[in-house]
Amino acid sequence: EAQVTQNPRYLITVTGKKLTVTCSQNMNHEYMSWYRQDPGLGLRQIYYSMNVEVTDKGDVPEGYKVSRKEKRNFPLILESPSPNQTSLYFCASKIAGGYEQYFGPGTRLTVT
Amino acid sequence: GQNIDQPTEMTATEGAIVQINCTYQTSGFNGLFWYQQHAGEAPTFLSYNVLDGLEEKGRFSSFLSRSKGYSYLLLKELQMKDSASYLCAVRDGPRPGGYQKVTFGTGTKLQVIP
Repeated sequence: EAQVTQNPRYLITVTGKKLTVTCSQNMNHEYMSWYRQDPGLGLRQIYYSMNVEVTDKGDVPEGYKVSRKEKRNFPLILESPSPNQTSLYFCASKIAGGYEQYFGPGTRLTVT
Repeated sequence: GQNIDQPTEMTATEGAIVQINCTYQTSGFNGLFWYQQHAGEAPTFLSYNVLDGLEEKGRFSSFLSRSKGYSYLLLKELQMKDSASYLCAVRDGPRPGGYQKVTFGTGTKLQVIP
């Protein structure tokens, strides 16, 4: 089944404790992206990647890191999480030149 | 950049027709999307318009007027399962490197009542 997977789906952590949210897609898509979704603010892009080893900042990159060492994986790293990073996070992918993005199921992160 | 406006909430009756509007101001335009998102779930693609006019897909239709910076999503024969948020999103024109940024609106929460 063609899909985007994220892990974990739910995470409660404390301020300053480094964490990684994984994202993997099995559709051989070149493009991958991370979004956060907050009430009243909609989906905002954190980072995106056009292909392996090619990443760039979105609209809200502060406090986040990404890497794209393999085509299928695009992990999101929070080196020192803070409470304002409490949010619902979505990973998405699409084929180069395509327009439809396929979203993962989401990761609900709470930082206390 | 993009500025996207859509109503925050709407209520409609099962079996009826509802139109969800979206207006945008853009520095570049290369298409408009509608996504459906049930509470706590991932957005799923509904439609993509890049030329003016109406695109019909089953009970859902999407309209675009580029000159007016306006789109709507039309849902016919509403069902209870259509209760969800509907996200309007606009894609920029291509940038160096080929990236085309997509900006999402805040979404319209539709409640379908019996």
